[in-house]
Amino acid sequence: GAGVSQSPSNKVTEKGKDVELRCDPISGHTALYWYRQSLGQGLEFLIYFQGNSAPDKSGLPSDRFSAERTGGSVSTLTIQRTQQEDSAVYLCASSLAGTGGAFFGQGTRLTVV
Amino acid sequence: GENVEQHPSTLSVQEGDSAVIKCTYSDSASNYFPWYKQELGKRPQLIIDIRSNVGEKKDQRIAVTLNKTAKHFSLHITETQPEDSAVYFCAASIREAGNMLTFGGGTRLMVKP
Repeated sequence: GAGVSQSPSNKVTEKGKDVELRCDPISGHTALYWYRQSLGQGLEFLIYFQGNSAPDKSGLPSDRFSAERTGGSVSTLTIQRTQQEDSAVYLCASSLAGTGGAFFGQGTRLTVV
Repeated sequence: GENVEQHPSTLSVQEGDSAVIKCTYSDSASNYFPWYKQELGKRPQLIIDIRSNVGEKKDQRIAVTLNKTAKHFSLHITETQPEDSAVYFCAASIREAGNMLTFGGGTRLMVKP
């Protein structure tokens, strides 16, 4: 596609439910990031995938968060037993190996009620 | 791992004045330094980047400088306009570490007409 695509754009869920957020990176981009951004705040790193290497999960805030990347393309971020503090915009970005520059999707705004 | 610090956190300038945002990084192996602009409610967008083999890069009203010895890099915006108002993020990455970007905390720039 033309850019990084994320779905859904908005998600409202009840506390305690599980949610899945999807990211379609730019075709051919081997690196993929997930970030979380609360209102008016910076970019909180969650997880980084690069090619076939083991992902860097050092930013995941708790074991309720997990992510996978199937076939080196689409990625899903799963949040189990959602809490109100999980409410934020979740941003995905991808980049071409060796170039460094990352391109962001439009984000998924998650609201836990 | 890499640590990127960004200053100031907020910056207010008069239209037409210049704005300078500074970042420092911790890992001397970092070799790629992009800058992102995030307008309210939108995704971060890459506006300029610099690699470690050059000291300065310009694109119209924006420029980035890099001092590898001091491990800092700066974004310069000249002749600021109200549409420059946004949050700016710097980042650094290391090719040998898979090019994973580490972001600074962001600078909220306000250009007063």
